[in-house]
Amino acid sequence: SQQGEEDPQALSIQEGENATMNCSYKTSINNLQWYRQNSGRGLVHLILIRSNEREKHSGRLRVTLDTSKKSSSLLITASRAADTASYFCATVPWGGSYIPTFGRGTSLIVHP
Amino acid sequence: GAGVSQSPSNKVTEKGKDVELRCDPISGHTALYWYRQSLGQGLEFLIYFQGNSAPDKSGLPSDRFSAERTGGSVSTLTIQRTQQEDSAVYLCASTRTSGSYEQYFGPGTRLTVT
Repeated sequence: SQQGEEDPQALSIQEGENATMNCSYKTSINNLQWYRQNSGRGLVHLILIRSNEREKHSGRLRVTLDTSKKSSSLLITASRAADTASYFCATVPWGGSYIPTFGRGTSLIVHP
Repeated sequence: GAGVSQSPSNKVTEKGKDVELRCDPISGHTALYWYRQSLGQGLEFLIYFQGNSAPDKSGLPSDRFSAERTGGSVSTLTIQRTQQEDSAVYLCASTRTSGSYEQYFGPGTRLTVT
């Protein structure tokens, strides 16, 4: 079963707009990660947020984590056509496991 | 430096045949993961190797699937008697140490079973 579920499944925006994707999960986590996948390629790690953190930034990316709601959001500001990709959240549970569980992803299309 | 590499990039096989998929992790990375991704789906965990410890095989969908990692480096995923439902992209990832969570992915092997 999927631990992380992204929402929306698909998002289409114009270049320059912001894109927000959400991830919900069910069980307690050690950390949550966001990955990006360009069509036909492997995944690229974007950012990791630990369960005791509430917000992290990396360039145009902003990730928030609300453990009380078991949810996270990924915000991409001032989007570019090159941001077109699928974005996945992955959760790592408490208890020493190093095996993340991935959601089905959000497909983002940024129109130039 | 070199990233994670996988071979072949594409594999078409007939139902019932065996296939071997190879993964070369980043040099020095101690952990290695195999995942399967069906069209439009998320990643399904298959197996996890960490150093010399026994692998975590909890994600393997059937006994037709097996994997080994030789010398703590290269890994081979073997699927015996392939079925059409095995068609997917098989992704390999590695992490630097047992305490690292950031995964470095290879480009994947697209397997098509006809």
